[in-house]
Amino acid sequence: DGGITQSPKYLFRKEGQNVTLSCEQNLNHDAMYWYRQDPGQGLRLIYYSQIVNDFQKGDIAEGYSVSREKKESFPLTVTSAQKNPTAFYLCASSLGAQGIYEQYFGPGTRLTVT
Amino acid sequence: GQQVMQIPQYQHVQEGEDFTTYCNSSTTLSNIQWYKQRPGGHPVFLIQLVKSGEVKKQKRLTFQFGEAKKNSSLHITATQTTDVGTYFCALRASGGSYIPTFGRGTSLIVHP
Repeated sequence: DGGITQSPKYLFRKEGQNVTLSCEQNLNHDAMYWYRQDPGQGLRLIYYSQIVNDFQKGDIAEGYSVSREKKESFPLTVTSAQKNPTAFYLCASSLGAQGIYEQYFGPGTRLTVT
Repeated sequence: GQQVMQIPQYQHVQEGEDFTTYCNSSTTLSNIQWYKQRPGGHPVFLIQLVKSGEVKKQKRLTFQFGEAKKNSSLHITATQTTDVGTYFCALRASGGSYIPTFGRGTSLIVHP
């Protein structure tokens, strides 16, 4: 069953701790994305990757880091430098990074930092 | 990045009424995609529009791309409670970044 998975669904952390969110896809897609969603803000792009071992900053990359060591995996680390980390995080993938391809989204991880 | 205006932010309707959300850009677009996110869920792709003046239909949903390729609309005829959710447009400017920019979304609330 092809798809994109994110884990965990809910994550709680203390302020000052780094946390890594998982994203895995078995769709054989080249491109992967991380978005942050806050109420009323829509989807804001954090990082994207067009191909293995390559990634680019999106609109709100500060305080986040990513890696793309495998085609299937694109983990996101929320560092302690991120001032307002509490949010809903969505991972997506597409056949290619060109905007003509539809994006497939994972179920999301809701991160709460206190 | 690309500026996207999506209106309205919220829309309450009685079941059976029609609904329309608009997505506007100040620059000419290469293409536009529409997604739907149910409450508590994740965005799901609905459709893509590429050609000037294009109109596509999916059952009660009608999608339009403006003649100047600077705006788009999604119209739902006779809303049902299953239409509840947030509708996002994602657009890509001609000659701009190939990564699409998402609008803030329109949240549709349908009252039975």
